Amino acid sequence: AQTVTQSQPEMSVQEAETVTLSCTYDTSESDYYLFWYKQPPSRQMILVIRQEAYKQQNATENRFSVNFQKAAKSFSLKISDSQLGDAAMYFCAYTIGSRLTFGEGTQLTVNP
Amino acid sequence: EADIYQTPRYLVIGTGKKITLECSQTMGHDKMYWYQQDPGMELHLIHYSYGVNSTEKGDLSSESTVSRIRTEHFPLTLESARPSHTSQYLCASSRSQAWETQYFGPGTRLLVL
Repeated sequence: AQTVTQSQPEMSVQEAETVTLSCTYDTSESDYYLFWYKQPPSRQMILVIRQEAYKQQNATENRFSVNFQKAAKSFSLKISDSQLGDAAMYFCAYTIGSRLTFGEGTQLTVNP
Repeated sequence: EADIYQTPRYLVIGTGKKITLECSQTMGHDKMYWYQQDPGMELHLIHYSYGVNSTEKGDLSSESTVSRIRTEHFPLTLESARPSHTSQYLCASSRSQAWETQYFGPGTRLLVL
């Protein structure tokens, strides 16, 4: 079975500091795409960042970056200069043929 | 915010009732999806569609059914609601390529008494 594991159910960070959310996955496919989605309380799920598995370079979007280790099947998310608006549930996911498989999520709290 | 809409946002209904959850998108996306999400838990794909008249069951078994008669519309129906159907239902859409981002609607929170 293809799975996504987020080993940190909850994380907290001080405003302006850096936090890293962990994600590992298991697939026998070689061509796939990885995503981090953010689900704020009572708001829509939105894409944070995505990574193509065939690319060695780690994706970056402003304060968000990933550490993609294909051999280890690891895909962590780093949030720099954390802001109060970053507080949300974060889901790691991968897709093969458009079907997303999600992890259990990590609830991130940002302390002022 | 993405142009994908779900109605109703909240629904409380009695056991045995038939319900339809609406999902519409104005982005012209070919692919649409329904996910089920219990509070604080991961999303599970229950249905998806790659275009008009195309529907497939997802990874999580569901008693619901879907239809795709128009590109922009992907309703989900429960013929006879039960308390076990209580959950949040999220609709999403994307362009055709496998790497495309899925855009999510705001969700429908369903409570079956």
